[in-house]
Amino acid sequence: DGGITQSPKYLFRKEGQNVTLSCEQNLNHDAMYWYRQDPGQGLRLIYYSQIVNDFQKGDIAEGYSVSREKKESFPLTVTSAQKNPTAFYLCASKSLRHSEAFFGQGTRLTVV
Amino acid sequence: AQKVTQAQTEISVVEKEDVTLDCVYETRDTTYYLFWYKQPPSGELVFLIRRNSFDEQNEISGRYSWNFQKSTSSFNFTITASQVVDSAVYFCALSPMKTSYDKVIFGPGTSLSVIP
Repeated sequence: DGGITQSPKYLFRKEGQNVTLSCEQNLNHDAMYWYRQDPGQGLRLIYYSQIVNDFQKGDIAEGYSVSREKKESFPLTVTSAQKNPTAFYLCASKSLRHSEAFFGQGTRLTVV
Repeated sequence: AQKVTQAQTEISVVEKEDVTLDCVYETRDTTYYLFWYKQPPSGELVFLIRRNSFDEQNEISGRYSWNFQKSTSSFNFTITASQVVDSAVYFCALSPMKTSYDKVIFGPGTSLSVIP
């Protein structure tokens, strides 16, 4: 089945550690996105990529980094510089033909 | 500036009641897309509908209907005869139509609880 897979579903991190969230899609979509969701708030864009080996900062990129070495994969690294990383992270992708984004099931990151 | 407002933070209804979720948007773009997404407790966002800014025709899909009014910058969503499975957070979203890869701006969401 085609779709977007995020792993892991739950992630615990100690303060001061970097952690990488995985996002893989087999929809052959060119564009991929990372959003952060906090309780009672909408989704805020962290980074997005329109093509392999290229990506742009979103509204809240500080403390995060990404790579896009393959079309199918867009991993997000939450660095120790991110002051408040506990949140729900959603990955999405879009194709040229469709204007709507399709989402993965999310990763809930907790800093302990 | 682009912005999406969903004034209703939480709504509770009794099963079989009708409920309308409000969405008001701001944009300077003349062409844009509007979306509604559903987020059940599992967390994944499920796409419900897309409207183009030049198409103000209302749409009905089963128990769901959408009312797009460009004059008031609103894109409201009505669920008729609500069911417990409709309990979720609903997001309204906006995206310019300049390129297909433009970012999507989301509202804060409305949490709907349908009580049996």
